[in-house]
Amino acid sequence: EVQLVESGGGLVQPGGSLRLSCAASGFTFSSYWMNWVRQPPGKGLEWVANIKEDGSEKYCVDSVKGRFTISRDNAKNSLYLQMNSLTVEDTAVYYCARGIADYWGQGTLVTVSS
Amino acid sequence: QSVLTQPPSVSAAPGQKVTISCSGSSSNIGNNYVSWYQQLPGTAPKLLIYENNKRPSGIPDRFSGSKSGTSATLGITGLQTGDEADYYCETWDSSLSAYVFGTGTKVTVL
Repeated sequence: EVQLVESGGGLVQPGGSLRLSCAASGFTFSSYWMNWVRQPPGKGLEWVANIKEDGSEKYCVDSVKGRFTISRDNAKNSLYLQMNSLTVEDTAVYYCARGIADYWGQGTLVTVSS
Repeated sequence: QSVLTQPPSVSAAPGQKVTISCSGSSSNIGNNYVSWYQQLPGTAPKLLIYENNKRPSGIPDRFSGSKSGTSATLGITGLQTGDEADYYCETWDSSLSAYVFGTGTKVTVL
């Protein structure tokens, strides 16, 4: 069974940092692009970033460029999102999703507030 | 501000059909595949349609997708109360080098 489990969310002050993790199981992690998608409370979905199977290609939305870094460890079947210089606009549930987004995790809530 | 526009809401009686439009441009829908997602209240999104009109395993054929030019459409036939959810289109935008989601449409079963 494919499973994606996010962790690392929480409350952080503006300007702070947080590292999200996504533990994958039930499939060959190293064979799939992986994505981060976020959803602010009561709002729509926003794609954040993705990373190629071997980590050689990465893309991200303009609003997080220079602040967020996506990475992966295929040996640990894990996906990461390092988030720096956080602002209140980054408050959202963060989901990891496999490939064409055929499987999603349950999400982890990041709240940026003073 | 999303580059993909969807109607905020659509509604119909049980058993009826609804269609949800997704309007974009040549840099996104016009030259890339479209996916559709269903998000039930309080849950993660679920893939309904990929590559414009393909259904993943387990998705009933009541759900269908199509694309024409710079617009895409999701159709739901035989509407059920369990279909009440938010629906989002999504595609790659070649100008932005980013995936973009639609504004979302809430489906209400009357």
